Amino acid sequence: AQTVTQSQPEMSVQEAETVTLSCTYDTSESDYYLFWYKQPPSRQMILVIRQEAYKQQNATENRFSVNFQKAAKSFSLKISDSQLGDAAMYFCAYRSVNFGNEKLTFGTGTRLTIIP
Amino acid sequence: EPEVTQTPSHQVTQMGQEVILRCVPISNHLYFYWYRQILGQKVEFLVSFYNNEISEKSEIFDDQFSVERPDGSNFTLKIRSTKLEDSAMYFCASRAGVGFGEQFFGPGTRLTVL
Repeated sequence: AQTVTQSQPEMSVQEAETVTLSCTYDTSESDYYLFWYKQPPSRQMILVIRQEAYKQQNATENRFSVNFQKAAKSFSLKISDSQLGDAAMYFCAYRSVNFGNEKLTFGTGTRLTIIP
Repeated sequence: EPEVTQTPSHQVTQMGQEVILRCVPISNHLYFYWYRQILGQKVEFLVSFYNNEISEKSEIFDDQFSVERPDGSNFTLKIRSTKLEDSAMYFCASRAGVGFGEQFFGPGTRLTVL
């Protein structure tokens, strides 16, 4: 079974600065998908960024980028130019490519606080 | 933009009662999921549903739980006899098709069991 670990329960960053959230995972599969979801106080789950394991290039979405290290099974999220609206819980998630095993496995989350 | 909707937003029930949580997935999606999140904890997978049958379920999804897609648009989660520990946020999600498809989440239903 796959596991996802987020070792930072809480992080804080000054507005306009850069912060990196860590995520490691364990799997025996060679191909899979990785995601970062944001959960603001409204508790809606919002997809921030995604990465296909077979792609070596790190995904980027505006101010959000990932550092995907497949051999190390590491998938960190970098938020640049942090904004007050970035304050939320961030969950790292894993998904298999195998049909019938497409559930998302989430980490325990990192609560990000933005300091004005 | 299409979105997943869930009703009710908050349900309060007595222990032992049956509850049905409702979801309307995005219309052309084929894969449906239920997750739950106990307050302060991580999001946990309950069940996935495809082609009118369960494709995968977790250990949490025991005989007290069932899912149904009764009319081609709604996707429901039934808990037959609620327990205190069923109190959680329940999220429905849907996905379009095979491959690298994003799971779109609904806003959740907060279930409180008294």
